[in-house]
Amino acid sequence: EVQLVESGGGLVQPGGSLRLSCAASGFTFSTHWMHWVRQAPGKGLVWVSRIDTDGSTTTYADSVKGRFTISRDNARNTLYLQMSSLRAEDTAVYYCARYPYHLTAFDIWGQGTMVTVSS
Amino acid sequence: QSALTQPASVSGSPGQSITISCTGTSSDVGSYNLVSWYQQHPGKAPRLLIYEDNKGPSGVSIRFSGSKSGNTASLTISGLQAEDEADYYCCSYAGSGSLVFGGGTKLTVL
Repeated sequence: EVQLVESGGGLVQPGGSLRLSCAASGFTFSTHWMHWVRQAPGKGLVWVSRIDTDGSTTTYADSVKGRFTISRDNARNTLYLQMSSLRAEDTAVYYCARYPYHLTAFDIWGQGTMVTVSS
Repeated sequence: QSALTQPASVSGSPGQSITISCTGTSSDVGSYNLVSWYQQHPGKAPRLLIYEDNKGPSGVSIRFSGSKSGNTASLTISGLQAEDEADYYCCSYAGSGSLVFGGGTKLTVL
């Protein structure tokens, strides 16, 4: 079964750091671009970041640039999002999503992991 | 990276057709044939409905269709069913590797 499973969410104080993980299974992880998308409580989807197949190309939304770092370990079939200098407005469910080149859309999503930034 | 504009809500009766619009700019929707649409039920992950403006992935009902004219993309749901009640989001490539979502539209089936 093709699956993405996020982990690492939790409660963190403003200014703190957190690393999210996304474990992939059921497909060849190393051949797919991967993205992070977030959704604040009761709000819409917001694109956060993307990474190419070997990790050499990354892109970020302006709102997280310089604070978040996306990376991947193809040997472990795992995607990461290192988040630092966290703000209250970063509070959201964070989804990882697969972005096949032949679809140019998000075809597989994880279940999401909740990040709460609060003192 | 401003969000694409969608109506906050739409509604329709079972069997009817509804259309959700998604308005962007010449830098995103109008520049690329890369608009996708997603359905999200409460507490669930989004599900892909349409990609590359008007293509349906395998396994998605043909009741869902997409189109685009200029800077505005549209999702049409025909033969509305109770289970179609959900939130719907458009997404477009916006250049330089970035993507942008719409604000979302809540569909109510009356």
